[in-house]
Amino acid sequence: GENVEQHPSTLSVQEGDSAVIKCTYSDSASNYFPWYKQELGKRPQLIIDIRSNVGEKKDQRIAVTLNKTAKHFSLHITETQPEDSAVYFCAASIGTYKYIFGTGTRLKVLA
Amino acid sequence: DAGVIQSPRHEVTEMGQEVTLRCKLISGHNSLFWYRQTMMRGLELLIYFNNNVPIDDSGMPEDRFSAKMPNASFSTLKIQPSEPRDSAVYFCASSPRTGGGKAGAFFGQGTRLTVV
Repeated sequence: GENVEQHPSTLSVQEGDSAVIKCTYSDSASNYFPWYKQELGKRPQLIIDIRSNVGEKKDQRIAVTLNKTAKHFSLHITETQPEDSAVYFCAASIGTYKYIFGTGTRLKVLA
Repeated sequence: DAGVIQSPRHEVTEMGQEVTLRCKLISGHNSLFWYRQTMMRGLELLIYFNNNVPIDDSGMPEDRFSAKMPNASFSTLKIQPSEPRDSAVYFCASSPRTGGGKAGAFFGQGTRLTVV
């Protein structure tokens, strides 16, 4: 069935280091991949997205890469800061209207 | 635009009572999603609507759960009767079509439901 796997479930990095979160999707027809950041007690918020016709997209310290052949996509955060600490979710579109979310990665940036 | 608006923000109710959660979509969005979030199960899609029509309700856990979208901007999720295991944060999200532009789902602030 439709599935998005996300790894790791928790990630601790030193401030200034890079963090990488990886996701794998199952539906080869998925064509849109958003990433969400959820701070404690708050709503998930869209931080970056990528479409299937693009291999990489960057927005300041955040970048996403997509490998359609392998059905992998990843979130890269460089020069991490304490305020990057949150739970990050990947998602993949299913059909026109639906999104399946990964299980989340709890990122801790240690000062 | 104030974004997706949910009410109430917090709800504490006794087992067996009816609970109604409310959601107002972002103007111009035509897809509406209800999610449930718990520590154990993460973000679960319960149901989603497109143009007011329920498209997929396979995530609705039981017949005790029902959702409606009486118009293009408003939806309700009802639990009747509620049970302690329904305790979770319920998020509503809206989205334009995924076909073009920025089309991720935009979440409301959630309703934290506690059933005692």
